[in-house]
Amino acid sequence: AQTVTQSQPEMSVQEAETVTLSCTYDTSESDYYLFWYKQPPSRQMILVIRQEAYKQQNATENRFSVNFQKAAKSFSLKISDSQLGDAAMYFCAYVPETSGSRLTFGEGTQLTVNP
Amino acid sequence: KAGVTQTPRYLIKTRGQQVTLSCSPISGHRSVSWYQQTPGQGLQFLFEYFSETQRNKGNFPGRFSGRQFSNSRSEMNVSTLELGDSALYLCASSALTSGGAREQFFGPGTRLTVL
Repeated sequence: AQTVTQSQPEMSVQEAETVTLSCTYDTSESDYYLFWYKQPPSRQMILVIRQEAYKQQNATENRFSVNFQKAAKSFSLKISDSQLGDAAMYFCAYVPETSGSRLTFGEGTQLTVNP
Repeated sequence: KAGVTQTPRYLIKTRGQQVTLSCSPISGHRSVSWYQQTPGQGLQFLFEYFSETQRNKGNFPGRFSGRQFSNSRSEMNVSTLELGDSALYLCASSALTSGGAREQFFGPGTRLTVL
């Protein structure tokens, strides 16, 4: 069975600093996608960044970047220059290429940004 | 483009009743997925519809059902409600066109409370 694990239930960072959220996954598939979603107190799930497993280059979206280690099945999210608006629950999610849109989510990491 | 919309946003029901939730995907998206989010179980996949056909189904009892219409709008139904069905129900749409996975865009959710 495919599983996604986020080992940090809570993290905190000072405003303007950098923080890294961890995610590991278990799969026997070779083609898959990985995502980080952000869920603020409004509960609206917002896509932060995506990574295709066949791409060696790590994805980057403005202040957000990932460190994708396929052999280690690791997919961490780095947030640079943290802002108060980054405070939210962050979920790592996985879907194999052949499974349509069936996402498997991790448990989530609650990120607090301190002013 | 308008985002994913879900109605109603909040719902209170009593045990034994049934409920229908509605989801309108982003225009042009043909894949709609449903997820249940609870504090204890996290985010769990319910089912996915593509072109009016159920493509994937999660591990939920038969009381949970869904359907998709020709305009891609989707409904999910829960019959004989139980207290444990209290949750945030999230709908997501995707531009999936074949078996390949794509990122999903989530609606604001429907908060169901069962008394």
